[in-house]
Amino acid sequence: QKEVEQDPGPLSVPEGAIVSLNCTYSNSAFQYFMWYRQYSRKGPELLMYTYSSGNKEDGRFTAQVDKSSKYISLFIRDSQPSDSATYLCASWYNQGGKLIFGQGTELSVKP
Amino acid sequence: NAGVMQNPRHLVRRRGQEARLRCSPMKGHSHVYWYRQLPEEGLKFMVYLQKENIIDESGMPKERFSAEFPKEGPSILRIQQVVRGDSAAYFCASSQTSGTETQYFGPGTRLLVL
Repeated sequence: QKEVEQDPGPLSVPEGAIVSLNCTYSNSAFQYFMWYRQYSRKGPELLMYTYSSGNKEDGRFTAQVDKSSKYISLFIRDSQPSDSATYLCASWYNQGGKLIFGQGTELSVKP
Repeated sequence: NAGVMQNPRHLVRRRGQEARLRCSPMKGHSHVYWYRQLPEEGLKFMVYLQKENIIDESGMPKERFSAEFPKEGPSILRIQQVVRGDSAAYFCASSQTSGTETQYFGPGTRLLVL
């Protein structure tokens, strides 16, 4: 079993839609949860991170962690064509430096 | 403020040759991480280094791969006797403090082995 699992998609939505991206994880020791955005042929860009359970909002983006169900979510409101990218969830122990990534979900927002 | 720099951006090697990938961390960052991204797969951790020290190499293949981060100069990921299965995008990330979750990634080096 992979430590972080993510539906690879692809996911296609019309402009303005609310997008929900999800991951599950298996290791209870994970404490930090991140979302990265990766445009084609580029490096990953950190969007948001949360510590433990709860919600975090940044503009059109909301990250949510439910540790009881080991579920990580990213919501994008009023999606734009410029949001078209691959979204990677990642988790991190509170030790060492290793980030554990999900497979990534490819998102396409159609004008 | 320059971000993480990697070079070359693209590298073509024939089977059996050596590949050297370079990474210059962000200014003020002394922690470097290497990840590999195979087609249709997510990023996989390879190695975590501080200046002159390997902290965690649990993701490094046992043979042919090595990494260093010298006191002066960039971090180097070295792959000896490359095989076709080494074809991938290799990303470097850096952070300011030890083990922080805030890792900033470079643009990657895309290695193609013919």
